[in-house]
Formats: sequence, C-alpha cells, structure tokens
Amino acid sequence: EAGVTQFPSHSVIEKGQTVTLRCDPISGHDNLYWYRRVMGKEIKFLLHFVKESKQDESGMPNNRFLAERTGGTYSTLKVQPAELEDSAMYFCASSLPAGINTGELFFGEGSRLTVL
Amino acid sequence: LAKTTQPISMDSYEGQEVNITCSHNNIATNDYITWYQQFPSQGPRFIIQGYKTKVTNEVASLFIPADRKSSTLSLPRVSLSDTAVYYCLVTRNQGGKLIFGQGTELSVKP
Repeated sequence: EAGVTQFPSHSVIEKGQTVTLRCDPISGHDNLYWYRRVMGKEIKFLLHFVKESKQDESGMPNNRFLAERTGGTYSTLKVQPAELEDSAMYFCASSLPAGINTGELFFGEGSRLTVL
Repeated sequence: LAKTTQPISMDSYEGQEVNITCSHNNIATNDYITWYQQFPSQGPRFIIQGYKTKVTNEVASLFIPADRKSSTLSLPRVSLSDTAVYYCLVTRNQGGKLIFGQGTELSVKP
C-alpha cells in the first residue's frame, strides 16, 4: 500500500512568487495534517483536516497560507506571495478515522521549499 | 498538552542498549506517551505508544512509571542505522495532532 506522498520534493522560488504543495494521504485516512520545520527549529503544527473540513488551523502562520482538501482526498498548501521566512521543510501526515485510530500518524517525505 | 523535556543529544556505540528518558510532569489522565524517530530529510516515523507500565514491540520498549510523569524509550542493541532524532510526545486520547519538541539526537558510533 502506498504511503503518504508529497509533491514536489523540492521547490525553489523567488520572493513574491506562489507555490502550491500537494499531499496525497493514505487511502481511507480521514485525518490529514500539515507541519513545517524551519531549519534549526522544531517541527511546528500548521493545520488538521478531518475529511474536507478544517478541524484545527491554529498553526497557520498568516493569511499568505491557504490549505484546501476538496473532496476529502488530497490536500494542497498554497503560499502566496512567498516570503524568505517561508523557507522550510513542509510535512504532511495522515491517520485513520476516529474510532479506529491507533494514534499513529504516517508522515510523507516532505516538500522542501526554498524562497530566494 | 503536557510539555515534554528530553536530552538534546546522546552518544552510543553499536550493540549497546540505549535508554532515552523524557519527562512530562503535567501529563493528563487522557494523555498517551508516543515516540517518533526521524532520519535526516525524511518525515517522522512512529516507534511506539503507551499509557502505563511497559509496552514492547519489535523495535523498542517503552517504560512508564506509575505516576506517568516520565517515560523511557529503550532501544536494544543499537546499530549505526539507529542514528536519528527521537521525539517524545504527549498525545490526547491516543490520537490527534502532535506537538513536537526539540527531540534527542542519537548518534551511534562503530
């Protein structure tokens, strides 16, 4: 079974441009999370989807970040316009629905964003 | 969620048992203790989760004392490939979002 996949693996853009990161969770996983890690810092929670609904978006840094999960399948995280401080590794994770959730989050390999 | 504290780094040699202790003084009744492993340029990977006493799987053991204010991840006979960052996390009701700390960077030497 395929794991969580993220695309692109690495994106290099200039300040002011737009980037869209995509995450395909494991099939059947209702929960989808976005995290990011700025170099030298801790991994930070961004937001949590349950199916297509945003359950918790308390970690989203500002309104330049927009996350969507239309249809409750894959998710996108758009940064527009990108700033230098957005450079980070962005991780996506998914987990089973509530009730059968063992507590394990399955992470993707991450998308590295570099803003020049 | 309870804040966790663990050593920033540890060194070990191949074949040794490694014990990483984490403190979580403010853990709540509904909280579980979960450990993740992360290799460079990869996403974190679940290792083990427990609520109390001892949990063992094919990778590690997790020891949790009765007061649950700390926990110890035990890795038996480590190899070079166990060099990674290990995160101790407290999770609400076994699932939900994870709050990562700085983790423990384990370096295994030959």
